Amino acid sequence: QKEVEQNSGPLSVPEGAIASLNCTYSDRGSQSFFWYRQYSGKSPELIMFIYSNGDKEDGRFTAQLNKASQYVSLLIRDSQPSDSATYLCAPSRGTALIFGKGTTLSVSS
Amino acid sequence: DVKVTQSSRYLVKRTGEKVFLECVQDMDHENMFWYRQDPGLGLRLIYFSYDVKMKEKGDIPEGYSVSREKKERFSLILESASTNQTSMYLCASSPPWGGSNYGYTFGSGTRLTVV
Repeated sequence: QKEVEQNSGPLSVPEGAIASLNCTYSDRGSQSFFWYRQYSGKSPELIMFIYSNGDKEDGRFTAQLNKASQYVSLLIRDSQPSDSATYLCAPSRGTALIFGKGTTLSVSS
Repeated sequence: DVKVTQSSRYLVKRTGEKVFLECVQDMDHENMFWYRQDPGLGLRLIYFSYDVKMKEKGDIPEGYSVSREKKERFSLILESASTNQTSMYLCASSPPWGGSNYGYTFGSGTRLTVV
């Protein structure tokens, strides 16, 4: 089983729709979970993080965590063309973060 | 604004050369990391350091070493570059965990080509 799994996509949504990005992880010891956005040719940038089971909202973004199911997701409401990027899920492993391969999101106007 | 600076954006080296990739952060962060990113393989952890002169192997340390003589600087060394080390190399830093609200801050990356 891969340590962090994400659907590679592309996930295509129309402008204004909700985009749902999913991630599963294998290490039950992971304590914190991060979502990064990476535009083509650029470095990853942090969108948000979550530590506790449940939902966490930050503007148009909502992260959801279910530790029992080892599942974390990111919802993007009112998707914009500028949200088109690759989204990386990153659970912690001790001091480090272990990244999934990412899901490519395409938002069409 | 916080900053992680990688010394070179693009680098071309010959097979067998010893290569140094430099990373400097100005945030007084304890932790620093080196990843490589390849299409289809994602970001893979090479080495990290949690303090000066301290280092830990990541998932793919073979063919690499690191040096951290000062808190702000973390160097990745390719002892004898090979073509399979052609990749995008990303440096990152972070404060300690334990309830911190921070993830990593990444540098802009070094695209290394070994010919």
